[in-house]
Amino acid sequence: EVQLVESGGGLVQPGGSLRLSCTASEFILSSFWMTWVRQAPGKGLEWVANIRADGAVEHYLDSVKGRFTISRDNTKNSVYLHMNVLRAEDTALYYCARDLDVSDSGLWYDAYDIWGQGTMVTVSS
Amino acid sequence: AVQMTQSPSSLSASVGDRVAITCRASQDIRKDLGWYQQKPGKSPRLLIYGASTLQSGVPLRFSGSGSGTDFTLTINNLQPEDFATYYCLHDFDYPRTFGQGTKVGIK
Repeated sequence: EVQLVESGGGLVQPGGSLRLSCTASEFILSSFWMTWVRQAPGKGLEWVANIRADGAVEHYLDSVKGRFTISRDNTKNSVYLHMNVLRAEDTALYYCARDLDVSDSGLWYDAYDIWGQGTMVTVSS
Repeated sequence: AVQMTQSPSSLSASVGDRVAITCRASQDIRKDLGWYQQKPGKSPRLLIYGASTLQSGVPLRFSGSGSGTDFTLTINNLQPEDFATYYCLHDFDYPRTFGQGTKVGIK
């Protein structure tokens, strides 16, 4: 079954660090842009970061720039989110998603077609 | 950064109804918009990308329209499995931003 599985979440104190992992099954992750999206408890979805298939380009939500780093190891079919200087407002369920990056009439569109089940990050003292 | 304003925040409808959800962008985003469905306790599901292209496997009762700043997700003949929260997401520039979500409940 084509799927993504996240891990690495947990309870961490403010100012602490965590590394989230997302591993793909039944598809080659190296062909795709990958994205992290989060959802605070009872709230909506928030786009966090993405990384190009070759790992050479990254983009971030302004509030996580300088604190979070997205990376990937295509030999391990995995993408990561390194989170430092964590704040209470980073508390959320973190999803990774595959971006089909589809082309239509010469234009390119994001299309997050495969999502993991999410891993929960709780920042609290 | 592009801001997305989604409305309504919630609505109540009956099986068989036609439902429309709108998203307005703070600037022209061409057709760089997708729609996602999320059910409680589940991961989001891609419905539409490029404002109007239906993702493979998504029922034809779902449709998307619009370009520029105004976009609409329409669900015809609402089915029991369609009661969920729907989000728009722009991919015009960075950072990407989701709309606030629209919860479609049972009347």
